[in-house]
Amino acid sequence: KAGVTQTPRYLIKTRGQQVTLSCSPISGHRSVSWYQQTPGQGLQFLFEYFSETQRNKGNFPGRFSGRQFSNSRSEMNVSTLELGDSALYLCASSPGQALSTDTQYFGPGTRLTVL
Amino acid sequence: GQSLEQPSEVTAVEGAIVQINCTYQTSGFYGLSWYQQHDGGAPTFLSYNALDGLEETGRFSSFLSRSDSYGYLLLQELQMKDSASYFCAVIYNFNKFYFGSGTKLNVKP
Repeated sequence: KAGVTQTPRYLIKTRGQQVTLSCSPISGHRSVSWYQQTPGQGLQFLFEYFSETQRNKGNFPGRFSGRQFSNSRSEMNVSTLELGDSALYLCASSPGQALSTDTQYFGPGTRLTVL
Repeated sequence: GQSLEQPSEVTAVEGAIVQINCTYQTSGFYGLSWYQQHDGGAPTFLSYNALDGLEETGRFSSFLSRSDSYGYLLLQELQMKDSASYFCAVIYNFNKFYFGSGTKLNVKP
């Protein structure tokens, strides 16, 4: 079974621009979660989608948004980029019935650099 | 809110045993997971504890005490390839995840 894929792997943007990142979950998985990882901050939860609906949301400003398509692929968008948005963005997929017991499978991440 | 505390860095020698602690404060606690992440790699699942006690998977074991809001990951017979960051994560309110800042484990020969 193919793993979680994320595109692009690397991205360089300038302040004020917007960016869209894509995540394709493992076939059959219906839940996709997004995380931001910065040095010393661990993984900070952005949001989780299940069956095209945002089921959970972390404490990030409205500039961060996402969506999920009927094939479970997900995109996240960051508008009006700030320097502090430079990070590794990880997505994770799981079967989705119950995150409490599901294992999350992470993709390789998209490294976003904001100049 | 949620909070997790784990040491930022631990160093041990090859063949030794190391314990990485994780204390948490959370409402609606459901369980505690551990993930391993090598530099430049994606986090990978190691273990999950929902009930008190020890779960063993090969050289890795994970422990949970719900009454103490405490858990740990125990790595035995350390190998150089175990050098990585280890994250504990609480699952709360049934389907929400909160990750700690991670513990960087350095294994020396």
